[in-house]
Amino acid sequence: GENVEQHPSTLSVQEGDSAVIKCTYSDSASNYFPWYKQELGKRPQLIIDIRSNVGEKKDQRIAVTLNKTAKHFSLHITETQPEDSAVYFCAAGSQGNLIFGKGTKLSVKP
Amino acid sequence: SQTIHQWPATLVQPVGSPLSLECTVEGTSNPNLYWYRQAAGRGLQLLFYSVGIGQISSEVPQNLSASRPQDRQFILSSKKLLLSDSGFYLCAWTPGSGNEKLFFGSGTQLSVL
Repeated sequence: GENVEQHPSTLSVQEGDSAVIKCTYSDSASNYFPWYKQELGKRPQLIIDIRSNVGEKKDQRIAVTLNKTAKHFSLHITETQPEDSAVYFCAAGSQGNLIFGKGTKLSVKP
Repeated sequence: SQTIHQWPATLVQPVGSPLSLECTVEGTSNPNLYWYRQAAGRGLQLLFYSVGIGQISSEVPQNLSASRPQDRQFILSSKKLLLSDSGFYLCAWTPGSGNEKLFFGSGTQLSVL
């Protein structure tokens, strides 16, 4: 089955800096790679996703890149703001079955 | 628009007591439905998923069970709770038919004492 590794587990950046979170997956059949943001005590919210036929996708300050050959994908947040502080989860899968990484706690210091 | 409702928001139960968590989705038909568990400070573990009424797949052996009595209703149950069942339980859905975007309910914080 699919296995997803996510790094780092914690990340602290200064406001305005960029943040990068990386994930690797094991199952070459996975074709869908979403990213979720979870604030304390709340539900995970989908922030961006990418499919295997696309190498990069951008939405304002966030972007995701996918390297199918190496089986890794990354989340990039530019010009970080304190409200970006949260736990971020990557996931990989296909046909609606997603396996999640263990999460990255991002802290943005004002 | 589609919405997902999950209740209760918090629950404190003694060890050995039964459990029933309910989730409903509105504004769509024949969704794929999921139950995830999140232990404190941990990732999201898929427990059950369903692609249709009465169709349940289990990802992790445990003392929990799931049922889908109606198209947009998904229930998580246990006959006897264990301490290790404590956690944040999240119901989720996807539209299915090739649309894999997964949307979560608001979650139930379960504490087994």
